[in-house]
Amino acid sequence: DTEVTQTPKHLVMGMTNKKSLKCEQHMGHRAMYWYKQKAKKPPELMFVYSYEKLSINESVPSRFSPECPNSSLLNLHLHALQPEDSALYLCASSQDPSGGLEQYFGPGTRLTVT
Amino acid sequence: GQNIDQPTEMTATEGAIVQINCTYQTSGFNGLFWYQQHAGEAPTFLSYNVLDGLEEKGRFSSFLSRSKGYSYLLLKELQMKDSASYLCAVRDAGNNRKLIWGLGTSLAVNP
Repeated sequence: DTEVTQTPKHLVMGMTNKKSLKCEQHMGHRAMYWYKQKAKKPPELMFVYSYEKLSINESVPSRFSPECPNSSLLNLHLHALQPEDSALYLCASSQDPSGGLEQYFGPGTRLTVT
Repeated sequence: GQNIDQPTEMTATEGAIVQINCTYQTSGFNGLFWYQQHAGEAPTFLSYNVLDGLEEKGRFSSFLSRSKGYSYLLLKELQMKDSASYLCAVRDAGNNRKLIWGLGTSLAVNP
């Protein structure tokens, strides 16, 4: 199984809503990532978890709150978002927390903030 | 600073060969990746180079010259489904978990 799954595929939320994005992988990878991607731009790293501990936070606003309940799951809690936060949110995982080989990406959640 | 350059757009014909170049200036280097991304989809891994030379994988090959800060992705026997964005990314030597991404090259394959 070389798959990273993400739910939901699409999400529309108002600026006062609270929602969560979910990511799951069963490849035994020990590093998991959240990226944000705008149209025609490369992925922009938000957070990295290594062995279920937050190891990188790229100065992301606190309205985005990551959580790693176990080695297979990664959540991104959203609260009080702004319209400019509308983007494709990608989850990825890699085998080796020290960097390792390639990152496997999930299909993404297309988020629209109204 | 960290900088990765690749052409914004390229056009090629079905059945032909196309080479997408990537040059990088980074404070450290610990590997270079090529990803393919179709519109509205997630990036998929194509190749990884950490030593100089050519890595071949089916119709796709990737080349690296560390001394020149240069890589290319070679796509042979182009197919319409190869129309996509191709992203070059360098792994930061200071932080191996972090990839520094180029802006991507949008490739259009015409019949």
